Amino acid sequence: DAGVIQSPRHEVTEMGQEVTLRCKPISGHNSLFWYRQTMMRGLELLIYFNNNVPIDDSGMPEDRFSAKMPNASFSTLKIQPSEPRDSAVYFCASSPGGTALANTGELFFGEGSRLTVL
Amino acid sequence: GIQVEQSPPDLILQEGANSTLRCNFSDSVNNLQWFHQNPWGQLINLFYIPSGTKQNGRLSATTVATERYSLLYISSSQTTDSGVYFCAARLKGAAGNKLTFGGGTRVLVKP
Repeated sequence: DAGVIQSPRHEVTEMGQEVTLRCKPISGHNSLFWYRQTMMRGLELLIYFNNNVPIDDSGMPEDRFSAKMPNASFSTLKIQPSEPRDSAVYFCASSPGGTALANTGELFFGEGSRLTVL
Repeated sequence: GIQVEQSPPDLILQEGANSTLRCNFSDSVNNLQWFHQNPWGQLINLFYIPSGTKQNGRLSATTVATERYSLLYISSSQTTDSGVYFCAARLKGAAGNKLTFGGGTRVLVKP
């Protein structure tokens, strides 16, 4: 079975440009997570969806970041406008069997999207 | 929120050596996972282990939930074991669903 699929794998852009990262969760998983990894802050949860509904976006850094999940098989993370401090690896992850309030399912990660903002 | 701490932060091993990595968490959890981030940046699932003991080849893990820690054992280490090992935990009974990650243990296995 295919794992979590992310695109693009690498993105280099200039400050001020819009960036869109994409994720396809594992089929049948109803929870989707966006994480960001940097050397300084490690792995941080940005936002969590359950059954396509955003449940917790308290980790989203600021209004420049937005995430959507229009259906069970697709999610996007958008940064507009991008800044050099947004440079990081962005991971999407999914897990099965959760509800909005409790999710104990095993988490599986995609291979990440490495973003460099010049 | 829950705090997850890992030790040691860095570990250098000679190929063939055994090692133990530790993960302490500050509250009761209903999910505890170990991941290996390889040199290419991929996060590989090692164990889903909220309690008890599991083994997979040369790796094994034990979580003692009542004492709020988990251990990852690497036996007969190989150079391919190099990378960063993360544990991550989710707080039991809370409305939040954040899987909080520890800071990782960076392992280098020398040939």
